[in-house]
Amino acid sequence: GAGVSQSPSNKVTEKGKDVELRCDPISGHTALYWYRQSLGQGLEFLIYFQGNSAPDKSGLPSDRFSAERTGGSVSTLTIQRTQQEDSAVYLCASSPTRAQYFGPGTRLTVL
Amino acid sequence: ELKVEQNPLFLSMQEGKNYTIYCNYSTTSDRLYWYRQDPGKSLESLFVLLSNGAVKQEGRLMASLDTKARLSTLHITAAVHDLSATYFCAVDAGGTSYGKLTFGQGTILTVHP
Repeated sequence: GAGVSQSPSNKVTEKGKDVELRCDPISGHTALYWYRQSLGQGLEFLIYFQGNSAPDKSGLPSDRFSAERTGGSVSTLTIQRTQQEDSAVYLCASSPTRAQYFGPGTRLTVL
Repeated sequence: ELKVEQNPLFLSMQEGKNYTIYCNYSTTSDRLYWYRQDPGKSLESLFVLLSNGAVKQEGRLMASLDTKARLSTLHITAAVHDLSATYFCAVDAGGTSYGKLTFGQGTILTVHP
């Protein structure tokens, strides 16, 4: 069956621009997670959704970062006024219970 | 705050040799995962370990969990080139952090002929 998909796969943007990253989870998975992978910080948790609610946003690095999930399915991670330190691979994972299935990631480069 | 530490961070092995990657974590864990990541690819789940003394094996890889020592190991037997990848352990502390994974730094494994 279809796995977790993310789009775009690569995004290059200029400092100060806003970007939107999309995650399509596996159908029926109620939980959705965003992580960030960067050379300096490794793999970091950003936010967790259960359905459309986000009970844990503790990993969002600043108020420039926000995320939403609609219809218990697609999620969008938005980064406003991007900075060079936002350059990373953004991974999405979905889960029916606890085990997480990861998408291919979006590589974000901020020039 | 939960901390997860792996060692070694870099591992260069000859084909046919055995080695172990260690994963220590700082607080009580609900479950522990091992993932593999190939360059430019996403994370592939290898094992999930749920209880003290759990041992799981798949091919040349065997993972174990000692919750009292807060230690998991990933043992590689008779390494082959195809095992070259980055290996991560990740801890789900459970409770209010249900499902949220804290990752180790990753171990970059290179297997040489």
